[in-house]
Parts: sequence; structure tokens; C-alpha cells
Amino acid sequence: DIVMTQSPSSLAVSAGETVTINCKSSQSLFGSVRQKNYLAWYQQKPGQSPKLLIYLASTRESGVPDRFIGSGSGTDFTLTISSVQAEDLANYYCQQYYDTPLTFGSGTKLEIK
Amino acid sequence: QVQLKESGPGLVQPSQTLSLTCTVSGFSLTSNSVHWVRQPPGKGLEWVGAIWSGGSTDYNSALKSRLSISRDTSKSQVFLKMNSLQTEDTAIYFCTRVGLATYWYFDFWGPGTMVTVSS
Repeated sequence: DIVMTQSPSSLAVSAGETVTINCKSSQSLFGSVRQKNYLAWYQQKPGQSPKLLIYLASTRESGVPDRFIGSGSGTDFTLTISSVQAEDLANYYCQQYYDTPLTFGSGTKLEIK
Repeated sequence: QVQLKESGPGLVQPSQTLSLTCTVSGFSLTSNSVHWVRQPPGKGLEWVGAIWSGGSTDYNSALKSRLSISRDTSKSQVFLKMNSLQTEDTAIYFCTRVGLATYWYFDFWGPGTMVTVSS
């Protein structure tokens, strides 16, 4: 199974700051046939189901604000949230879809000071 | 519009069988795969298994011996059955859709249904 290691597990920032969340996979998520990285990011607000933010490591889902930026390749990926807003209070998860079983990172809890 | 909704018993006794239904609309089960993901209270997300658009299934290896996923395409429903339930199976169970056959990320999720395993 591909193990996804996320860091940090939690962080607290003030509104307007920039946040970086890291996700590392135990093997490369780069598919040589389609030349794509098979990684997604989700946001889960309290009491809600997860919401897709980013797929193919860096493509924003329709309607997602451009302050959410995904980057990285191979085994190391980052979700950057620039100018954090109060509404960004949530847990964030990475997910690999390179192979089954599909696996998620353990999550990062973002708190707003 | 695409929608998914889970339904189930809420409370299941230990060692009994869990049966959940995911009712979908806005897409066809023969075009998109549907997956189950669960989340224990206060914890992270765990992929449970999937039924692919062609009807084949894939399961989390840790649950495979207890798990069955099936569907009724005429009713747009996907079913999850898990036997020999233990307290560790207490979780919110989500059904979710893969939008593109070649990329297995989840673009739509149901609201989830809480399952508590307790006597």
C-alpha cells in the first residue's frame, strides 16, 4: 500500500497569513504514460463531508478560490493557502490515486487565531 | 445535478452485519465508479472499497474478508454490506463518486451516515 504522510498535523495562523501543508508519498505518484501526478487535496469543514480542492497535484477544481495552490511532483507535494481567511478553518487531506488501495494522509487541522 | 445520499440503520450490535445504501442521481452507475470512505469520530479518512463502472469491485485489504459492495443500476443504488462488526467500525460512512475513469479522485460526496457499533 502507498503510505501518505502529512505534516504538520495541526497549525494555527492569523487571517491574512500564508499556510503550507506537506504531503509525502511512500512511492512516486507520477504516471509515466499520462505524465501526471496522481494526487488530490480535500478540505473538510466541521460537520461536513470532504470537498475536492485540487487534483492532478496542481489543478484547482471549478469554483475553488485561487488562494489554494497545489504543487509538487513524484513523492513530495504541497498545498499552499495564501491570505488565509476565517472560512478556511478546516481539516485538509491529501489522497493518492496512483493505485488501489486508495489512501489518504492523516490530515492537517487548520485553526485561525 | 450530481447527488449522492447514504442511508442505513445508525446503530448496529457487535458481531452483526451492517447494510448501507447509497442512492445517486445526476449520473449513471455504468459511467462512473462509486466508492465508500469512512471516518471514525475525530479521526481521518479511510477508503473502504469501490464498485467500478463495469461492475467489478475493489476492497480495502484490511476489510476484504468482511465486505461486499454491489449495485442495482436500475435503481441507481450502491450497497455496502459488512459483517462481524466491531466497535472499531464505528464511523461516518460516506459514498463518493469518481468523476473520470482514468483519475480516481472524488469530485462529489454524500453527506455521510453515522454508524455506531454498540450493544
